[in-house]
Amino acid sequence: QKEVEQDPGPLSVPEGAIVSLNCTYSNSAFQYFMWYRQYSRKGPELLMYTYSSGNKEDGRFTAQVDKSSKYISLFIRDSQPSDSATYLCAIMDTGNQFYFGTGTSLTVIP
Amino acid sequence: EPEVTQTPSHQVTQMGQEVILRCVPISNHLYFYWYRQILGQKVEFLVSFYNNEISEKSEIFDDQFSVERPDGSNFTLKIRSTKLEDSAMYFCASSPPWTSGSYEQYFGPGTRLTVT
Repeated sequence: QKEVEQDPGPLSVPEGAIVSLNCTYSNSAFQYFMWYRQYSRKGPELLMYTYSSGNKEDGRFTAQVDKSSKYISLFIRDSQPSDSATYLCAIMDTGNQFYFGTGTSLTVIP
Repeated sequence: EPEVTQTPSHQVTQMGQEVILRCVPISNHLYFYWYRQILGQKVEFLVSFYNNEISEKSEIFDDQFSVERPDGSNFTLKIRSTKLEDSAMYFCASSPPWTSGSYEQYFGPGTRLTVT
C-alpha cells in the first residue's frame, strides 16, 4: 500500500472555478501535512502546511485535514490561469521522513 | 527573500562516472534533504541530514550515494558510479530549526542529471 495516494488528474477547470485537490494516506502516525505547487521543470514551492485536523486558510487557498479519515484536501477559490501547475501533497512522519503524492496536474482555462 | 540554490542546473555524465551535485541551503536552516524526481514520476525522498550526520534515508539511498556538508554553506550529494536509472531531477531542500514550530521544506530549483 502506498504511503500517500493522489489522483494524478489531469484536472481542467474554467477560470473562476473552485478547485478541489485531494490526497489520502495510510499511516496514522503522519502528523504534518503540506501542499506544494510545482511548475514544469521547477522545484516544488511550498503553499501551505498544517499539523492539525480542520481548516487553514491563506488567501484563495484552504487546506483541510481529516485525520480520522486520513484525508487531506486543498481548495483553490476563484482559480486563475496562473494557478495552472502540478499540486503535490506531502506528509511528514514522526521520523522526519517526507512522503509525496504523485501530484495532480491542474489547468485553469481563461 | 532567501532561497535554496543548486548547481549545476544540468549535468550530463557517462555511466560509471562519479557526479557531485551541490546545494547551498538557506543560511539559518539546520535540516537538509535530497530528493529525486524521475521524469513524470513522484518526488522521492533520498536522505535527510542534521547536525552533520544522516538522520533518515530511503531504500533508494544505497552505498552508491553519499552526502556531505564540507563547509558551513554547501551540502553535496555524490553518486559514485552512475547508472542509467539515476537520470532524474535532483532537488535539495532545507528546513528551519524545528523549535520555530515549522517543518516546512524549501526546495531548490533542481539539478537535472542525465546519464548516458
